[in-house]
Formats: sequence, structure tokens, C-alpha cells
Amino acid sequence: GQSLEQPSEVTAVEGAIVQINCTYQTSGFYGLSWYQQHDGGAPTFLSYNALDGLEETGRFSSFLSRSDSYGYLLLQELQMKDSASYFCAVTIRGGGFKTIFGAGTRLFVKA
Amino acid sequence: DTAVSQTPKYLVTQMGNDKSIKCEQNLGHDTMYWYKQDSKKFLKIMFSYNNKELIINETVPNRFSPKSPDKAHLNLHINSLELGDSAVYFCASSQWQANTEAFFGQGTRLTVV
Repeated sequence: GQSLEQPSEVTAVEGAIVQINCTYQTSGFYGLSWYQQHDGGAPTFLSYNALDGLEETGRFSSFLSRSDSYGYLLLQELQMKDSASYFCAVTIRGGGFKTIFGAGTRLFVKA
Repeated sequence: DTAVSQTPKYLVTQMGNDKSIKCEQNLGHDTMYWYKQDSKKFLKIMFSYNNKELIINETVPNRFSPKSPDKAHLNLHINSLELGDSAVYFCASSQWQANTEAFFGQGTRLTVV
């Protein structure tokens, strides 16, 4: 079966750096995405990795190691508005493309 | 302009009723989806359509019937609603199937009483 694991909660202080890890077990792996969701809001796409390595988008970076079935989202210079849930999502290929979401990591940013 | 819009935003209904949620995207995307997010925030894909054709049906009960009249619209009809159907339903779209950047609608919070 397909599974993703990420921590349920992470707490950090404003200005700090936080890393949210994601490990997955899938067949037909195509890529790893990250989404942010504020309470009451819709998931918003943050980044995508298809190949090994680091992708940087402003304060957010995402990393993928296909051989380790592992990725992470790195958030730098944390701001209070970064308090939200962060989902890793694996896209797999097999009879069409399908994206499976992890259970989400709740990030609390404290002053 | 809202990229992916779904209506209604809130829906409260009694068990056994039939209800529909509408979704429209103005991004010119080929692929549209329905996701269900439960009270624990677990986001699970229900259906995926590509150019009006059903691509993925994730063993959703057949009380749920999606309809895509054209590639910009994907509606969800639910028959004989049950308490367990209470959740937030998100419509989403992406440029094509393999494009992992999905744009989500604001969600429809369905409460079955």
C-alpha cells in the first residue's frame, strides 16, 4: 500500500528555522509536493520535487532523496503567519496520476 | 477572479437527503479533482477527471456521483447522505494529470445531522 509519515506537530519561535520531514512508501513514485493550509482555508501549493536535491522558493525550501524515500520542507525566518498545517503529498503513476496526502504537520510559531 | 470556485461554502442537511456541490475553474486546466478532508484534517482524493473523463475513483461509495459537463466544471452529487459524510469537500484543478501543482477551491463544509 501507499503511506506517508510526517510529524503531527512542530513548535518553533519567530525568526527560527524549522524542518518538517516526510517519509513515504509508495510504488510508481513520480514526485513530492508540499502544501500549506491555514485553519478554515484551502490547501495552497508551496513546492515540488521530482528529482533529488533542494528546491528553494523564497523562505521555503524543499528537499528530496528518492533513494531514501524521504523529503523535507525547510522554513526559514519564521513568521507568525507561518502557523498552519503543512502537508507532504506524493504523486504516483499507475493507471493515471494520483496524489496522496500525508496527515499534515501542525506548525505553531511562537513570539 | 477566483481561480477555482465551489458552491456552497456551507451545507447543513439531514440524513437521507440528496445534495450537490458545484465547482468551476477558470484556469484552463485539463484536470479536476474532488478531495474529502475529515475532522482530523486528513485529505483524501475521491475522484480525478481529465478533459471530462473519469481517471480516478478511489473506491468512493456509489452514493457519490461526480459529473463533468465540460473540462471547466466538476460537480459532485451525493445521494442518501449519512452522518459519516460530514467533512470539508475540496475541489481542485491542475494544468494536466502529471502536474502536481493543484489549485484548490475554498471548500464546502458539509454537516449531516
